[in-house]
Amino acid sequence: SQTIHQWPATLVQPVGSPLSLECTVEGTSNPNLYWYRQAAGRGLQLLFYSIGIDQISSEVPQNLSASRPQDRQFILSSKKLLLSDSGFYLCAWSVYNPSPLHFGNGTRLTVT
Amino acid sequence: TQLLEQSPQFLSIQEGENLTVYCNSSSVFSSLQWYRQEPGEGPVLLVTVVTGGEVKKLKRLTFQFGDARKDSSLHITAAQTGDTGLYLCAGAGSGGSNYKLTFGKGTLLTVNP
Repeated sequence: SQTIHQWPATLVQPVGSPLSLECTVEGTSNPNLYWYRQAAGRGLQLLFYSIGIDQISSEVPQNLSASRPQDRQFILSSKKLLLSDSGFYLCAWSVYNPSPLHFGNGTRLTVT
Repeated sequence: TQLLEQSPQFLSIQEGENLTVYCNSSSVFSSLQWYRQEPGEGPVLLVTVVTGGEVKKLKRLTFQFGDARKDSSLHITAAQTGDTGLYLCAGAGSGGSNYKLTFGKGTLLTVNP
């Protein structure tokens, strides 16, 4: 069966520090991968979308970037965090479009 | 830009009551998905509706997709405390944008014992 792992679960970082959140998927090949951000426990905002290795689409211009160095690995990064980067970050995968998204358990990021 | 409006935003009811939450848009979606999210976890898919007018049942939950594929509703019969959570609807675009789901802001449901 397919599983998705996302870490860390919680993170507290000072303003101006770098960020690296990692997500890996097991049990499926060539998944579509997504990074979402959820503010205040409400709606989800799509940040990045990837259909394959090194193929990344950015949905919202911001202080963040994404990379997909391997088929089932998706990384969210920032060189310098802003206070506004605080939120709940969710990684998800799907196998076709449109298909249900399978989410990880998220990372709660607090920038202080 | 496609938008999905969910109502109500908050709903607090007693166990055993029935409820309906709504998901509305002025845009047409190729399909619509409902998710439930519990605190500190990712959303989990409940159902996908594809055809206008479609009705799907999942135990005590009934989902309906509007005839014009612009809106959807979720009805819960005899709510239980385990139904507590954030209910999110998400619409899929068509053609080249069908990878992108537009999420509503959710209905936060609390079922009290």
